[in-house]
Amino acid sequence: SQKIEQNSEALNIQEGKTATLTCNYTNYSPAYLQWYRQDPGRGPVFLLLIRENEKEKRKERLKVTFDTTLKQSLFHITASQPADSATYLCALLMDTGRRALTFGSGTRLQVQP
Amino acid sequence: GAGVSQSPSNKVTEKGKDVELRCDPISGHTALYWYRQSLGQGLEFLIYFQGNSAPDKSGLPSDRFSAERTGGSVSTLTIQRTQQEDSAVYLCASSYRQGGSYGYTFGSGTRLTVV
Repeated sequence: SQKIEQNSEALNIQEGKTATLTCNYTNYSPAYLQWYRQDPGRGPVFLLLIRENEKEKRKERLKVTFDTTLKQSLFHITASQPADSATYLCALLMDTGRRALTFGSGTRLQVQP
Repeated sequence: GAGVSQSPSNKVTEKGKDVELRCDPISGHTALYWYRQSLGQGLEFLIYFQGNSAPDKSGLPSDRFSAERTGGSVSTLTIQRTQQEDSAVYLCASSYRQGGSYGYTFGSGTRLTVV
């Protein structure tokens, strides 16, 4: 079956360090992958999209990589700040014919001052 | 409007009652999606509308759930004869392109509690 996996354990890091979150998927080849941020009581907010022919994408302090051989995306936040504390979700279109994103369960990031 | 608007933000209802949840998408977004999120869980797809095409209802958990989108804009999600397991946050999103290749814009959700 097709799955998206994100580390369910919270990631705790010190302010100023780089946070790295992982998204693994199985048994399909998505054309692109997206990352979202979700704060408590709010809907997810779109951050970045990376396509299958792109190895890396950057936006300010964010960097996303996409390895279609490993079936993995890494999401990096450099020079992390307490304000980066949130849950981060990855999302893909699965090849089931459904034209709506399937979301991972998310990884909670906590940046300590 | 500037974003996706959902109402009500909170709804407490008695088991067995019907509820209606409303979503106002971003003007010009042709695609509209409903998801639900249970406490500490990921997003579960419910239904997807794209323009005038027939909606993708493949995620609706039972025939107690239905949704419509009038005039290609506002959408209403209806849950009939609510059950306690329906308690969750119901999130609506819209996007400019089918499949969301430009990202989804979510509303803040409706927190439904069935007592």
